[in-house]
Amino acid sequence: DAMVIQNPRYQVTQFGKPVTLSCSQTLNHNVMYWYQQKSSQAPKLLFHYYDKDFNNEADTPDNFQSRRPNTSFCFLDIRSPGLGDAAMYLCATSGGTSGNNEQFFGPGTRLTVL
Amino acid sequence: AQSVSQHNHHVILSEAASLELGCNYSYGGTVNLFWYVQYPGQHLQLLLKYFSGDPLVKGIKGFEAEFIKSKFSFNLRKPSVQWSDTAEYFCALPGVSGGYNKLIFGAGTRLAVHP
Repeated sequence: DAMVIQNPRYQVTQFGKPVTLSCSQTLNHNVMYWYQQKSSQAPKLLFHYYDKDFNNEADTPDNFQSRRPNTSFCFLDIRSPGLGDAAMYLCATSGGTSGNNEQFFGPGTRLTVL
Repeated sequence: AQSVSQHNHHVILSEAASLELGCNYSYGGTVNLFWYVQYPGQHLQLLLKYFSGDPLVKGIKGFEAEFIKSKFSFNLRKPSVQWSDTAEYFCALPGVSGGYNKLIFGAGTRLAVHP
């Protein structure tokens, strides 16, 4: 089945230790998104790629970076995780960016910062 | 700016009770609206969507939602809930950022259905 895969499902890191989260898709979608979802809150968009075109949300901290080496893969790098970065990180894809494009979500990676 | 409000943060129901979850949006243009559901331990998935046409939209698992433009609402309904409907429900609206559409989510409603 075509899907969005995230690895690992659970990630534990230490305060200030860089961490990379991975997302891959078999849907061949142009657009890949990264969301941060804290407990009992709505997912918050960090950034997205339309093909290789990177689009950062204005309020995304510089501590968060992303790479998309090819259509299938996208990575979220957190350069110096703080305690406030503990959250669920969701990857999503869509076939385009028009308003009627459904987004398909991965299962998420739960990040714990010690 | 576009925004989505879900006023019920937690809802507790018994099986077979009827469900209505509120969603109000703020946007003056052409509206597309989504309801996503997140079952415990699972990923977000689309429940239903409204793009145009019939304002009463039917989704999976017996859910439906009605788009009422005059009230800026897109409430989710189900006539008889089941224990398996226990989940978190998010209403979402496409917004615009940097020339690209993105999804703006409401805060979510956590539904617990007791047998």
